[in-house]
Amino acid sequence: DVKVTQSSRYLVKRTGEKVFLECVQDMDHENMFWYRQDPGLGLRLIYFSYDVKMKEKGDIPEGYSVSREKKERFSLILESASTNQTSMYLCASSYRDRISRYTFGSGTRLTVV
Amino acid sequence: AQSVTQPDIHITVSEGASLELRCNYSYGATPYLFWYVQSPGQGLQLLLKYFSGDTLVQGIKGFEAEFKRSQSSFNLRKPSVHWSDAAEYFCAVGAYGQNFVFGPGTRLSVLP
Repeated sequence: DVKVTQSSRYLVKRTGEKVFLECVQDMDHENMFWYRQDPGLGLRLIYFSYDVKMKEKGDIPEGYSVSREKKERFSLILESASTNQTSMYLCASSYRDRISRYTFGSGTRLTVV
Repeated sequence: AQSVTQPDIHITVSEGASLELRCNYSYGATPYLFWYVQSPGQGLQLLLKYFSGDTLVQGIKGFEAEFKRSQSSFNLRKPSVHWSDAAEYFCAVGAYGQNFVFGPGTRLSVLP
């Protein structure tokens, strides 16, 4: 069974901390995505990557960065966590066309205190 | 601008009743349409998708959706809801080489 795995289900971090959210896919997908999910706002794209070391900003990149050193792994980085970054974070991956085999991870619920 | 609206934030139905969740979109290119379901604490699972052809699409768990181009709609239906269908449902629009646009979601509660 194909999988997108997010390393943590729940995280609690302090304001100002550097936070890493990790995502791994085992489907050899070219594309990987990071979304933020908030009630009433649906999913909003933070960043996506279409190849190793390649990235593009999504709709809400401010306060975030990403890293993709290997094809199967895509990391979301909060350089200095703030309380308004408390949210559910979802990782996804897909084939190059951004349509096929679009698969989501189970999510990481991040609380910044 | 590309957008997806789901007019109902929260719907409550009785178990065994029929269900329709609404989705309207605004999209410049030929859209590909999707419905996802998210159970509490989980990621999103694909229910069904429409790329072309028959405008009535069958999905998993007994769900179906109908694409109506004239109304820019892609409503999700189920004839008889089960308690396990309680979840949040997201409509999404995409195209080849374009990022998805998601609706805000509709939360479904099911009464016993």
